[in-house]
Amino acid sequence: KQEVTQIPAALSVPEGENLVLNCSFTDSAIYNLQWFRQDPGKGLTSLLLIQSSQREQTSGRLNASLDKSSGRSTLYIAASQPGDSATYLCAVSPSRESQGNLIFGKGTKLSVKP
Amino acid sequence: EAGVAQSPRYKIIEKRQSVAFWCNPISGHATLYWYQQILGQGPKLLIQFQNNGVVDDSQLPKDRFSAERLKGVDSTLKIQPAKLEDSAVYLCASSLPGVLSEQFFGPGTRLTVL
Repeated sequence: KQEVTQIPAALSVPEGENLVLNCSFTDSAIYNLQWFRQDPGKGLTSLLLIQSSQREQTSGRLNASLDKSSGRSTLYIAASQPGDSATYLCAVSPSRESQGNLIFGKGTKLSVKP
Repeated sequence: EAGVAQSPRYKIIEKRQSVAFWCNPISGHATLYWYQQILGQGPKLLIQFQNNGVVDDSQLPKDRFSAERLKGVDSTLKIQPAKLEDSAVYLCASSLPGVLSEQFFGPGTRLTVL
């Protein structure tokens, strides 16, 4: 059974700092991996999607990497801002046939202090 | 473009009562998902529809939960009777069909069962 773990559960950093969020999964047979952002009282917003054949994806100040063989992904946020404060969730899709069945971690709650 | 709409946003009921949630996906999105997110956890897929057919309902507690998607557009999720452990945020998401389709999430319905 696939399990997704995110470390740390919470993180507080001063504005401007670069930071890394970690995600690990127990079964390396994944179809893709996604990083989401969740703001309080709101739904999830997709940030980056990495196919299993890819190593990384970048969008603005965000960079996500994937090491499928070791079951790990990282989300790098450069020059953090208070507006980045949110919960970040990692999710894996187990196969092409069941790609909608996302398996989520519990998330990392990020707080960026001005 | 309008996003995924959900109602109500909040609901408080007594245990053993019934409750229904409504979701209106993004126009043209054939695939619709219902997730349950318990406080402090990542979302868990309950059911996935493709048009008005069920693709995956393996994690739906069918003794008390039911869902339908009439005419392949709006969907309702019902709980009858509710238990204390059903307290959670119920998220609806939709996507275009296809292997790289991003899921777009609604704001969710927060259910409290007393």
